[in-house]
Amino acid sequence: QKEVEQNSGPLSVPEGAIASLNCTYSDRGSQSFFWYRQYSGKSPELIMFIYSNGDKEDGRFTAQLNKASQYVSLLIRDSQPSDSATYLCAEDRDDKIIFGKGTRLHILP
Amino acid sequence: GAGVSQSPSNKVTEKGKDVELRCDPISGHTALYWYRQSLGQGLEFLIYFQGNSAPDKSGLPSDRFSAERTGGSVSTLTIQRTQQEDSAVYLCASSSGLAYTYEQYFGPGTRLTVT
Repeated sequence: QKEVEQNSGPLSVPEGAIASLNCTYSDRGSQSFFWYRQYSGKSPELIMFIYSNGDKEDGRFTAQLNKASQYVSLLIRDSQPSDSATYLCAEDRDDKIIFGKGTRLHILP
Repeated sequence: GAGVSQSPSNKVTEKGKDVELRCDPISGHTALYWYRQSLGQGLEFLIYFQGNSAPDKSGLPSDRFSAERTGGSVSTLTIQRTQQEDSAVYLCASSSGLAYTYEQYFGPGTRLTVT
């Protein structure tokens, strides 16, 4: 069974620091990857998507993809309490979007 | 503009009853997905519709689950003879279906409780 793996956390990060979230995947055929944020009791919302090796930056968020090592990461700079949520990594597997179980992030004020 | 809508928002049913969950995607979106999320868990893929193609049903957990999409728009997920393990939030998402434009827009979900 090809999986998208994430550490469930919780990951606690002081306010203002960099939060680093990691994800590994096993399907070498997957081309596109996504990070979603889900607040408690709410639906997921897309933060970033990436399909090229390397880094992609959008504001305080940077997604990193390394296809050779099969990992995807999300960096959140200048972490804010409002960043406290569950972050879901997902891959596009034959046009199906398959999610990991998510990492809970807690930003400490 | 209108987002993805789902109904009902909450459904409580007795074990053994059938339930129907409805999803109304964003107008013009050709791709529609159903997911299930149990408490504290990630999203479990159930089924995927893309345009007029045959749906990808590979995530449906048993033959008690079925889904249809009429006219390429509204979708209904049906669970027959519900079991307590079916209790979860059922999320629907749609996307434009264009290559490299995979942003999914999620509905608010239907919370299903089987007693």
